Amino acid sequence: KQEVTQIPAALSVPEGENLVLNCSFTDSAIYNLQWFRQDPGKGLTSLLLIQSSQREQTSGRLNASLDKSSGRSTLYIAASQPGDSATYLCAGKGGSEKLVFGKGTKLTVNP
Amino acid sequence: EPEVTQTPSHQVTQMGQEVILRCVPISNHLYFYWYRQILGQKVEFLVSFYNNEISEKSEIFDDQFSVERPDGSNFTLKIRSTKLEDSAMYFCASSRPQVPGYGYTFGSGTRLTVV
Repeated sequence: KQEVTQIPAALSVPEGENLVLNCSFTDSAIYNLQWFRQDPGKGLTSLLLIQSSQREQTSGRLNASLDKSSGRSTLYIAASQPGDSATYLCAGKGGSEKLVFGKGTKLTVNP
Repeated sequence: EPEVTQTPSHQVTQMGQEVILRCVPISNHLYFYWYRQILGQKVEFLVSFYNNEISEKSEIFDDQFSVERPDGSNFTLKIRSTKLEDSAMYFCASSRPQVPGYGYTFGSGTRLTVV
């Protein structure tokens, strides 16, 4: 059974700092991994999707990596801004169609 | 950019009442899903729907829950007799897994409050 863990649960950084969010999963038979952003009381916005055959994906200031052998994914945010403040969720897809989510990292970027 | 649309955004219902949550998935997607998130907890899978039938469901999705695609555009989740513990944010999602690298698109959610 796939379990997804995200560390840390919360992170507070000053504006402009580069930061890394971590995601680990127990089953290396992962088909793809998707990072989402969730603002308070809102829906899930897809940020990046990494297929199992890929090692990383980039979009603007965001870079996500996937290491299946170690069961880890990281989301790197460069030059953080107050508008980046949100909860970041990672979710893995295995052999079935369902996504298994981590609990998220709540990021606060202070001006 | 295509969106998944959910209505209503917030629904308050009395315990024991039936509720129907509505979703309009992206038109060329083939898989449809419902997930829920109880306040402060993980997003949890409820059910997936493909080719007009349930393809997978979780332990949460018991006989009180049902899904339907009544026409070519809507996808609904019905809870027959709501309980206090059904209070959560319910998310609809759709995907097109036949296209490599195509992930899931989620709606903005329906906050269900059972009183």
